[in-house]
Amino acid sequence: AQSVTQLGSHVSVSEGALVLLRCNYSSSVPPYLFWYVQYPNQGLQLLLKYTTGATLVKGINGFEAEFKKSETSFHLTKPSAHMSDAAEYFCAVSPSGSARQLTFGSGTQLTVLP
Amino acid sequence: NAGVTQTPKFRVLKTGQSMTLLCAQDMNHEYMYWYRQDPGMGLRLIHYSVGEGTTAKGEVPDGYNVSRLKKQNFLLGLESAAPSQTSVYFCASSRDDTDTQYFGPGTRLTVL
Repeated sequence: AQSVTQLGSHVSVSEGALVLLRCNYSSSVPPYLFWYVQYPNQGLQLLLKYTTGATLVKGINGFEAEFKKSETSFHLTKPSAHMSDAAEYFCAVSPSGSARQLTFGSGTQLTVLP
Repeated sequence: NAGVTQTPKFRVLKTGQSMTLLCAQDMNHEYMYWYRQDPGMGLRLIHYSVGEGTTAKGEVPDGYNVSRLKKQNFLLGLESAAPSQTSVYFCASSRDDTDTQYFGPGTRLTVL
């Protein structure tokens, strides 16, 4: 069985500040890890994914995430928040990279304050 | 190139009514999926299809049926709607099982 825990259902940051969204997972096999973003009234869009290899993964819009096996974490960061980053962010895990076996976290709503 | 589209965008049903949600994709993807999204929860897979004429159950299939008669379309049916099916429904498609999924904009369904 696999699960995903996103710490903090709501996170607020000031424009220009560091964005840190936390994700911890449990998986019985080496996981494939994903971050998705959902802008208001839109479907989910893939931000980045970790499969194998380099543990620091760079995604779109300046986001990156680091896979830390010892901490079972895959936190999402961005050095400087922009107003357009306001959205809901979902972490997800799959044991084999299969979309059919994706387990999503409950989401973190990011608010960017002017 | 419209990507993934969903019809309708909003719908209100009474308990016991039926309806069909339509998902269409123009990317020639083999795989298509239906998810539901509820407050405070991540997306959960209802049904999926690995190609034209095929369907399979996901995590939460009860109360739903699907059909994939044409490669570009994936229909989700509710035969007898229940308030517990009030949710936002998302369709997605992908080239194969491990490729990036592309999501539609969602259908907000309310069952009274």
